[in-house]
This record gives sequence, C-alpha cells and structure tokens, in this order.
Amino acid sequence: AQSVAQPEDQVNVAEGNPLTVKCTYSVSGNPYLFWYVQYPNRGLQFLLKYITGDNLVKGSYGFEAEFNKSQTSFHLKKPSALVSDSALYFCAVRDSGYSTLTFGKGTMLLVSP
Amino acid sequence: KAGVTQTPRYLIKTRGQQVTLSCSPISGHRSVSWYQQTPGQGLQFLFEYFSETQRNKGNFPGRFSGRQFSNSRSEMNVSTLELGDSALYLCASSLGQNTDTQYFGPGTRLTVL
Repeated sequence: AQSVAQPEDQVNVAEGNPLTVKCTYSVSGNPYLFWYVQYPNRGLQFLLKYITGDNLVKGSYGFEAEFNKSQTSFHLKKPSALVSDSALYFCAVRDSGYSTLTFGKGTMLLVSP
Repeated sequence: KAGVTQTPRYLIKTRGQQVTLSCSPISGHRSVSWYQQTPGQGLQFLFEYFSETQRNKGNFPGRFSGRQFSNSRSEMNVSTLELGDSALYLCASSLGQNTDTQYFGPGTRLTVL
C-alpha cells in the first residue's frame, strides 16, 4: 500500500520569507513523488516531481523540493514567498510498482503582505 | 498543446438522477484518471483507463462507472445520485507510464439537490 501525509492543514508565512510545506510518504517499493497546486475553483497544476537522481528537484514558479529517503519526506520549499503563492498544495506518491497516484489531504498556504 | 478539457464545468442534479461527465485528454495521452474532490475526504481516486481498458479502480460503489473511447476521450457516469455525490470531479491525463506526470483538467462541479 502507498500513503502520503501532509501534517499541516495550513501554513502561514509573510511575503518575502522562505516557505516550507511538509510531506511524508510510505511505499513498499521506490517512490515517485509529485507536488501540485490548486487555486480556487481550478484543477490541479503540476509543480515538480522526483523520480530518481538528484535529491533536490527544481520546479515551476521558483519552487523546489528535497527528497529525503531516510526520513521518507519530500518537503516543498521556496526561498521567498509571494502573496500570489497563496493556494492549496497537494503532495502525491506513486509506488514504482503501481500506476495509481495517492494524494495527501492538502495544505493551505497563506502568504500575508 | 491544448490542455485537458472537461465538460460541463457545472452541473446541478436532483437525487435519483444520473449524470455523465466528459474528459478530453491532452493529445497523445492514453491514460485518463478520474478523481472526486470534497472538503471532507480530499482527493479520492475513482478509476483509471488506459487504451480503452480500465486499469485501476478505487473504492467507490458500482454507481460510479466510466469508459474510454478509441480517441482516448473518457466519460464517467454516476447513477442514482445521492446528496453525498456533490463534489468537484477532476480528470487527469498522462502518457501512461508510472513515471509520467498526470495533468489535470479544470474539473466539473456537481451539485446534487
């Protein structure tokens, strides 16, 4: 079975400060990890993914994520938050032996001016 | 390339009716997955179709069904609607390998009265 946890329902950060949205996962094989963002009344937009290779993955809009195998984590980061980053963020995992994608509950990111 | 499109965007039905939602994937994508998104349950996987065959199925009752056509377009059907079926229904397309990214459509907002 595969699962993913996003321990924070909401993250608050001031504009210009660094942000981190946490994600931990559980799989039996190798993990394929994804981050998506959802704006109100919209579908999910792909930000970045980790399949293999370099543990630091760079994605869209200045976001990056670090894969940590020992801690089974894939936290999303950005050096300097923008108000426009305020949205709902989803982490997702797929076990290498499966094709189904499992999503976390989502973390609401609120960036204050 | 055009993105994933879903029709209709909004739908209002009454209990007991049935509904059909449509999804057109990105050109060249052969896999289409369907998800139900609600505030309480988050994103839940319904089913995945690949080359006209259902490849995976989530834990939903038989009232939820789907199909995929030879041009990869997909439809999902919900029969005997219940109030709890009110949700945002999202479809996502990909090339079909488990390392591939799923790209989401804008969703269909279904309200059951």
